[in-house]
Amino acid sequence: KAGVTQTPRYLIKTRGQQVTLSCSPISGHRSVSWYQQTPGQGLQFLFEYFSETQRNKGNFPGRFSGRQFSNSRSEMNVSTLELGDSALYLCASSSLAGNTGELFFGEGSRLTVL
Amino acid sequence: GIQVEQSPPDLILQEGANSTLRCNFSDSVNNLQWFHQNPWGQLINLFYIPSGTKQNGRLSATTVATERYSLLYISSSQTTDSGVYFCAVVTGANNLFFGTGTRLTVIP
Repeated sequence: KAGVTQTPRYLIKTRGQQVTLSCSPISGHRSVSWYQQTPGQGLQFLFEYFSETQRNKGNFPGRFSGRQFSNSRSEMNVSTLELGDSALYLCASSSLAGNTGELFFGEGSRLTVL
Repeated sequence: GIQVEQSPPDLILQEGANSTLRCNFSDSVNNLQWFHQNPWGQLINLFYIPSGTKQNGRLSATTVATERYSLLYISSSQTTDSGVYFCAVVTGANNLFFGTGTRLTVIP
């Protein structure tokens, strides 16, 4: 059974650009959640999607957005990048909605903003 | 919001030693997981443990939800156990919060 797949693994952008990250969950899982990890703020919850609907949202500005497709794959987008957006972005999949189930994480996408 | 504190923040062990990592949370939770973050950044599931005790090889975990803490035990530590250990809790409103992490270094 394939795990959670995130692409791209590494990327470099400049301030003001936008970025799109992709996450394919474990087969059969309909929940995908996203997290940001930085040295200063630690691991923070961004948002969670279940069956193409955003179910939960963390405390991040509107520049951070996401969506989920009918095949449960999810994308997150960050617009107008700032230096502080440099981080490891992790996604997790689960069989249950609302952060209530066991989470399985991908390897992450490491974003550097110059 | 809920506070999730892990202790100790850093731990250095000789290979073969045992250790106990603690996760304290300030409010009631619906579930709790322990993760090990490997050097490449991936979070590896260790335990899904809203309450009670579970064991998996050299690792075991206990959550006492009524007293708002969870413990992760590592016995006969190996160098491959090095990394950062996180607990994550889910509140009644289904919001998820990670702990502050414990960085473990196992020396040969």
